[in-house]
Amino acid sequence: GAVVSQHPSRVICKSGTSVKIECRSLDFQATTMFWYRQFPKQSLMLMATSNEGSKATYEQGVEKDKFLINHASLTLSTLTVTSAHPEDSSFYICSARDSRTYQETQYFGPGTRLLVL
Amino acid sequence: GEDVEQSLFLSVREGDSSVINCTYTDSSSTYLYWYKQEPGAGLQLLTYIFSNMDMKQDQRLTVLLNKKDKHLSLRIADTQTGDSAIYFCAESMGGGNKLTFGTGTQLKVEL
Repeated sequence: GAVVSQHPSRVICKSGTSVKIECRSLDFQATTMFWYRQFPKQSLMLMATSNEGSKATYEQGVEKDKFLINHASLTLSTLTVTSAHPEDSSFYICSARDSRTYQETQYFGPGTRLLVL
Repeated sequence: GEDVEQSLFLSVREGDSSVINCTYTDSSSTYLYWYKQEPGAGLQLLTYIFSNMDMKQDQRLTVLLNKKDKHLSLRIADTQTGDSAIYFCAESMGGGNKLTFGTGTQLKVEL
């Protein structure tokens, strides 16, 4: 099946720094990728839809200047958490949809655990 | 708005069948999914069903859809300890639209 990777898998940073998380589709092209956030023992909440070559679409309540998304190629989307604070600590998961097929299936990355001290 | 609900916890004995239930409110849902999440990991797609289907079977997994009642279930036959995880149902309208996830059900398989 299709594989999506994320890097890093885990990151610890100081408050006020910025952190970049990469999401890659390894064996397929994805014009659309999705970024989710998951708090402990909770469900996934969609943060934004990343569109290759255009601006991301953010869900209501998600600050676009805080969570910068760049989808520069058909296999890579990045999420940058700017000026991170402890409340940004969470599990961030991306997903991607194979653009070449009509399949609706989203394939998920393994997630990135962010801890802001 | 969309709302997807699941019971929070299910405990079964190894070898028994597990049934995880999900209800949703958006009648325009086109695709309904079941995902599995193990501790500290991403989501693994288990199976999905198109809204014009009533049932789909894939090895130990059986998905039942009651579109009238907006009820989806996942049955796992011969449940094993390796099936212990959190199971999420999700729905989308298709066309590359976003997924809306349920609250997740923690399945615990006891020996």
